[in-house]
Amino acid sequence: ETGVTQSPTHLIKTRGQQVTLRCSSQSGHNTVSWYQQALGQGPQFIFQYYREEENGRGNFPPRFSGLQFPNYSSELNVNALELDDSALYLCASSLVDDRFYGYTFGSGTRLTVV
Amino acid sequence: AQSVTQPDIHITVSEGASLELRCNYSYGATPYLFWYVQSPGQGLQLLLKYFSGDTLVQGIKGFEAEFKRSQSSFNLRKPSVHWSDAAEYFCAVKDNYGQNFVFGPGTRLSVLP
Repeated sequence: ETGVTQSPTHLIKTRGQQVTLRCSSQSGHNTVSWYQQALGQGPQFIFQYYREEENGRGNFPPRFSGLQFPNYSSELNVNALELDDSALYLCASSLVDDRFYGYTFGSGTRLTVV
Repeated sequence: AQSVTQPDIHITVSEGASLELRCNYSYGATPYLFWYVQSPGQGLQLLLKYFSGDTLVQGIKGFEAEFKRSQSSFNLRKPSVHWSDAAEYFCAVKDNYGQNFVFGPGTRLSVLP
């Protein structure tokens, strides 16, 4: 059973640029969520995708957007990067049906905005 | 809105000593509760979870947690800490209808030899 894989592991971008982060869900999972973890803080929910549609969103501006593909992999896009976007971005996948089974987290992408 | 508090920012214990990490949550009903561990630069690893039933939950690596509804708490315990347990520990809650987790701010555990 494969886990959740994220790419790249580290990334440095300049303020104002755009970035795309990628996530491959665990086999058999149909839902993916993205979290932002600033240094020294707990993860904050960005949004979730289920069946290729956004299925819930946290308190993040529209310049944070995402996609989920038919194979349940996902992308997180951030436009007009700001210094405060520097963080560890975590992807989590889950199987959602009539029950909740829990999330599996990836190791994250460390984004540094300079 | 739901919230999770972890009152201890940093705890230091000696190897072999017992450990208790505190977690309190605010939520109207019985939530789904989780403890995750994060080593430096790594993602989150699930230690244990509580959905319903027995309020004492066993997890991996010798950890356990007890759900106390009257205190809105879900404290994590380990009888004998190992040096490899040094990490950041996060308590999280997921409500029964929403799709996201709310995480606490984390407790950093240091282990003295």
